[in-house]
Amino acid sequence: GQNIDQPTEMTATEGAIVQINCTYQTSGFNGLFWYQQHAGEAPTFLSYNVLDGLEEKGRFSSFLSRSKGYSYLLLKELQMKDSASYLCAVMDSNYQLIWGAGTKLIIKP
Amino acid sequence: DTAVSQTPKYLVTQMGNDKSIKCEQNLGHDTMYWYKQDSKKFLKIMFSYNNKELIINETVPNRFSPKSPDKAHLNLHINSLELGDSAVYFCASSHEGRSTDTQYFGPGTRLTVL
Repeated sequence: GQNIDQPTEMTATEGAIVQINCTYQTSGFNGLFWYQQHAGEAPTFLSYNVLDGLEEKGRFSSFLSRSKGYSYLLLKELQMKDSASYLCAVMDSNYQLIWGAGTKLIIKP
Repeated sequence: DTAVSQTPKYLVTQMGNDKSIKCEQNLGHDTMYWYKQDSKKFLKIMFSYNNKELIINETVPNRFSPKSPDKAHLNLHINSLELGDSAVYFCASSHEGRSTDTQYFGPGTRLTVL
């Protein structure tokens, strides 16, 4: 079966750095997405990786290793507004997005 | 202007009723989707649809049916509602279904079945 694993919850301090990991097992691979979802709101796109390596976009970076079935989202200089759930999703060989359950990130002052 | 909009935002109804949720996108996208997000926060694809192809997740009960009057709209009809249908339903769209395009989500509809 297809499976996306990420931690259920993480806590970090304002101003610090946090890394949210995601491992996946899917039938085929056409890229990995990270989405941010604030409570009661819709998911919004953060990043997309299809080649191995690090993609940096401001305070957020996303890394992919296809051979290991592994990705992480790195958030730097954390702000209170970063408190949200972070969803990892993989597009499989049928171009369907397979979603993880999300990691709830709690930022403390 | 909202890119992907859904109505209603909240829907409370009795078991056994039939209801519809509307979705509209003004992005000119070719593909639209319906997702169900349950209490455990898993996003599960229900349908993806473009003007050529409807892809149905085989686990979705046939009480659920998408209706697309045109490319910009994909409405979700639910017959004989059950308690387990309570969830948040998200509509989304992307430029093309068979690509790695980003999906843009609507604000969600919180359905509560009593």
